[in-house]
Amino acid sequence: SYELTQPPSVSVSLGQMARITCSGEALPKKYAYWYQQKPGQFPVLVIYKDSERPSGIPERFSGSSSGTIVTLTISGVQAEDEADYYCLSADSSGTYVVFGGGTKLTVL
Amino acid sequence: EVQLVESGGGLVQPGRSLRLSCAASGFTFDDYAMHWVRQAPGKGLEWVSGISWNSGSIGYADSVKGRFTISRDNAKNSLYLQMNSLRAEDTALYYCAKDARDDYGEGYFDYWGQGTLVTVSS
Repeated sequence: SYELTQPPSVSVSLGQMARITCSGEALPKKYAYWYQQKPGQFPVLVIYKDSERPSGIPERFSGSSSGTIVTLTISGVQAEDEADYYCLSADSSGTYVVFGGGTKLTVL
Repeated sequence: EVQLVESGGGLVQPGRSLRLSCAASGFTFDDYAMHWVRQAPGKGLEWVSGISWNSGSIGYADSVKGRFTISRDNAKNSLYLQMNSLRAEDTALYYCAKDARDDYGEGYFDYWGQGTLVTVSS
């Protein structure tokens, strides 16, 4: 089955830039989506179709894609950005929808 | 306002069955694909199953294929998940999620419910 690979954790100082990567062999052909989940809450979409930002999501959140890797970038990290982040995409046939393992972002 | 309200969770013994429901409101239900996503305690998100707007396309994670069945009733604005042969590893919070598209095969979830907890234990 298809897999998306994320680093388990990323740490960044307050106000600095955080980058979270997600790799998968079908990413050149399939869009990626990024979800933020804070403890005890349901996930929230922060980036869709690789790099689009939903309304209401701060401009400091951005997404990019290069080959088999997609990246979520948070510029000027705030304390409230501390959360788990999950990438999501589908295999090349569109049969399986898959989440990455999740990345815990810690703001120092 | 889009609302997704899950129900049907609870404590069930291994090998038994459970049926989850998701009541949708605030949007035209039969225009969109729908999904079930689960999260085991302290673990990450796992896509369980998706269904297109007209039930013409359905997909399952390998972990539940052959045991779980997703369905929808567009007349009742409702999504269902029939879970059979439950195992301890199916213990999780089960979320209903709306897709932003009419087919399930991309994973573009724009709204989520609050979830319903399923515990499989003897």
